[in-house]
Amino acid sequence: DAGVIQSPRHEVTEMGQEVTLRCKPISGHDYLFWYRQTMMRGLELLIYFNNNVPIDDSGMPEDRFSAKMPNASFSTLKIQPSEPRDSAVYFCASSSHSLGRKLFFGSGTQLSVL
Amino acid sequence: QQQVKQSPQSLIVQKGGIPIINCAYENTAFDYFPWYQQFPGKGPALLIAIRPDVSEKKEGRFTISFNKSAKQFSLHIMDSQPGDSATYFCAANGKAAGNKLTFGGGTRVLVKP
Repeated sequence: DAGVIQSPRHEVTEMGQEVTLRCKPISGHDYLFWYRQTMMRGLELLIYFNNNVPIDDSGMPEDRFSAKMPNASFSTLKIQPSEPRDSAVYFCASSSHSLGRKLFFGSGTQLSVL
Repeated sequence: QQQVKQSPQSLIVQKGGIPIINCAYENTAFDYFPWYQQFPGKGPALLIAIRPDVSEKKEGRFTISFNKSAKQFSLHIMDSQPGDSATYFCAANGKAAGNKLTFGGGTRVLVKP
């Protein structure tokens, strides 16, 4: 398996633009997580899905952030409009309840909002 | 009550030294305590994990010590090597939370040659 695949690896955009981050979880995994990593706040859980259903979105900072999981093999995190304070590394992770609680992380998307 | 507090924020040791990272939690419902290792430009990866029914677990040069009464756990890296230089995160989970992990703030470890 190729692991969790995130795209793009790097995104540079201007304030006010819409940004869409993409994630393909490991096949067969039933949990998907979106994390944001910054020096100041560490790893923050934004939202997670179980069987494609959003379970906890309490970490989503504002209405500017939205996440979808239309099927078991794809998820998006959208920021509209983007702001400089959204600059961070965004990680997607997946796991399987039947295989324990180990999370498998993607390589992340480095987002820079100018 | 969901917080996991990790210290120190950074650590520098000489090769062969034993960096020790400490974590404390509050939620007594937590029953799974993993440590993740992250290299620059990569996502975190599971290093080792422990459950509260044991006080210590070793995997290679990495050891977790667990103190249930104090609600604390720690990671020791024995005979540390420059290749161990990374950021380490402790985490915790309770069954009621599904597979959702609560992470500590991270510790940046530098092992000097």
